[in-house]
Amino acid sequence: DAKTTQPPSMDCAEGRAANLPCNHSTISGNEYVYWYRQIHSQGPQYIIHGLKNNETNEMASLIITEDRKSSTLILPHATLRDTAVYYCIVRVATGGTSYGKLTFGQGTILTVHP
Amino acid sequence: NAGVTQTPKFQVLKTGQSMTLQCAQDMNHNSMYWYRQDPGMGLRLIYYSASEGTTDKGEVPNGYNVSRLNKREFSLRLESAAPSQTSVYFCASSTREASSYNSPLHFGNGTRLTVT
Repeated sequence: DAKTTQPPSMDCAEGRAANLPCNHSTISGNEYVYWYRQIHSQGPQYIIHGLKNNETNEMASLIITEDRKSSTLILPHATLRDTAVYYCIVRVATGGTSYGKLTFGQGTILTVHP
Repeated sequence: NAGVTQTPKFQVLKTGQSMTLQCAQDMNHNSMYWYRQDPGMGLRLIYYSASEGTTDKGEVPNGYNVSRLNKREFSLRLESAAPSQTSVYFCASSTREASSYNSPLHFGNGTRLTVT
């Protein structure tokens, strides 16, 4: 799986949009971009994933650049409960030896403040 | 709809003791997984079960055994606990499309295990 690079920490004011960047310059054509977050003492929570088109769900939007070398997770209206570590992961779509393998890097600690 | 439920939440064992971590999901998912999370190491896959009746080793299977009891339940057993197995253990599940394994994992809230 391709390696990802994220800033170690970011701040955001409550109610504002949080834009979390991720660099994955070595991504392959069959690798998806996934975002998870982990709130202290809880299990990782799936947020969103995409291949090359922008995606939106009830939690967030995912913007992937045309060359797929980077992406941005957008939380449109951040709340205090969005304070967490956010992980950007690239993962192959097919199974084989990579099945179940989910390589979490260091992630970005997002702090939402009042 | 509880999602993925793990028991117990906390456990302290002495070296050499055995125990079983329980995991159940109510999302009708086919695939289930066990991970451990250690500081600076991220999540590492211990075992997985692609479908009911099958189990396979992940990255760090030594010292562990698993049982896929039915579609809902996947347990992890430590036969003889060692201090190196002190960790937070997460169970996860996912659907499994016929043509692709591209489906997100849904995690439980973990079991915090300390082996002294």
